[in-house]
Amino acid sequence: DAGVTQSPTHLIKTRGQQVTLRCSPKSGHDTVSWYQQALGQGPQFIFQYYEEEERQRGNFPDRFSGHQFPNYSSELNVNALLLGDSALYLCASSLVIAGGLYNEQFFGPGTRLTVL
Amino acid sequence: AQKITQTQPGMFVQEKEAVTLDCTYDTSDPSYGLFWYKQPSSGEMIFLIYQGSYDQQNATEGRYSLNFQKARKSANLVISASQLGDSAMYFCAYYNFNKFYFGSGTKLNVKP
Repeated sequence: DAGVTQSPTHLIKTRGQQVTLRCSPKSGHDTVSWYQQALGQGPQFIFQYYEEEERQRGNFPDRFSGHQFPNYSSELNVNALLLGDSALYLCASSLVIAGGLYNEQFFGPGTRLTVL
Repeated sequence: AQKITQTQPGMFVQEKEAVTLDCTYDTSDPSYGLFWYKQPSSGEMIFLIYQGSYDQQNATEGRYSLNFQKARKSANLVISASQLGDSAMYFCAYYNFNKFYFGSGTKLNVKP
């Protein structure tokens, strides 16, 4: 059973460019969340997708957008890249039980984005 | 937004000894979940243990236990019998309304 996979592993872009990161959730999971982890910090929640819609969003500008496909895989798009967007981008999948407080997320290995 | 605080940027522990990693949180929500994750240098986040706010007993998972003190809003992770492979970053996370809030982490180094 494959876990959460992300591609690419590493990416180098220049300021102003656009980037797309991809995530395939763990088998059986229907919810995908994206996080940005700057060096030396904890992950920061970007947004969560469920049933192909953005269900929750953290404090990130509109330059950060996403998409979820019918097979539950997801993309994270970042436009007009800034130097400060350099970070590890983590994808996590889960199967949320309605009304429950337990939400075990399984994380992918991440995509390391460097903006020059 | 909820605030998660981990006050220990780095910790050292001797192999085979126990260590406690601190985590406090600030919330007015009556119900929530608390999680601990381990992040090795490879970058992948590994789930360790979960505690629900209404759980009466402290959670345990093998060598990991969570010292949950709801009134003090603390959820400390205790690792017993430390192993060299425990060296990693450890993150405390608060969960509610489909959102996770992570602390800044504690870097644990296990000495042989």
